[in-house]
Amino acid sequence: AQSVTQLDSQVPVFEEAPVELRCNYSSSVSVYLFWYVQYPNQGLQLLLKYLSGSTLVKGINGFEAEFNKSQTSFHLRKPSVHISDTAEYFCAVTTTGGGNKLTFGTGTQLKVEL
Amino acid sequence: DTAVSQTPKYLVTQMGNDKSIKCEQNLGHDTMYWYKQDSKKFLKIMFSYNNKELIINETVPNRFSPKSPDKAHLNLHINSLELGDSAVYFCASSQPGQEGFFGPGTRLTVL
Repeated sequence: AQSVTQLDSQVPVFEEAPVELRCNYSSSVSVYLFWYVQYPNQGLQLLLKYLSGSTLVKGINGFEAEFNKSQTSFHLRKPSVHISDTAEYFCAVTTTGGGNKLTFGTGTQLKVEL
Repeated sequence: DTAVSQTPKYLVTQMGNDKSIKCEQNLGHDTMYWYKQDSKKFLKIMFSYNNKELIINETVPNRFSPKSPDKAHLNLHINSLELGDSAVYFCASSQPGQEGFFGPGTRLTVL
């Protein structure tokens, strides 16, 4: 079975500052990794995904993440955040063997302040 | 065009009632899911269907019964609603091993 750990439940940051949201996973088989964003009272929107290939993946809204197999991490980064990035961010994993289940982390609340 | 749609968006009901939530996807995906998001925003899978066949049931009480009339629809019926069922329920669809596309959610409040 796979699991996901998001160590930071809340991350406050000033506008235009860089941010990193941490995600670590555990799995006995190869995985696919995802980051989703949830704005208040809305559904989940895919930010980016790692399926294979380059370990640095770029997503929407200027976000990127790096897959690190040795550290079993998939941290999300943005070099300069905007007020509109305030939202809940979820890391998720599924297995590469055709598994049909997304396992989510507990989420990180990103709060961007002026 | 909405990829994954759910109805209703809000559902307020009394304890003990029975209610249903409907979900439809027009993405041609083989797999559909129900997730529950609790008050602490934790997302947990409840069920997964692949081509109308139940493949995941994550120790959900028997009061919850999913039904998939075809691979584009996955409905969730809940009997004898309890206070603890209050949550946001998300429907999603995907191809196996790929990202999930989520509906807008149904906020269920049990009084």
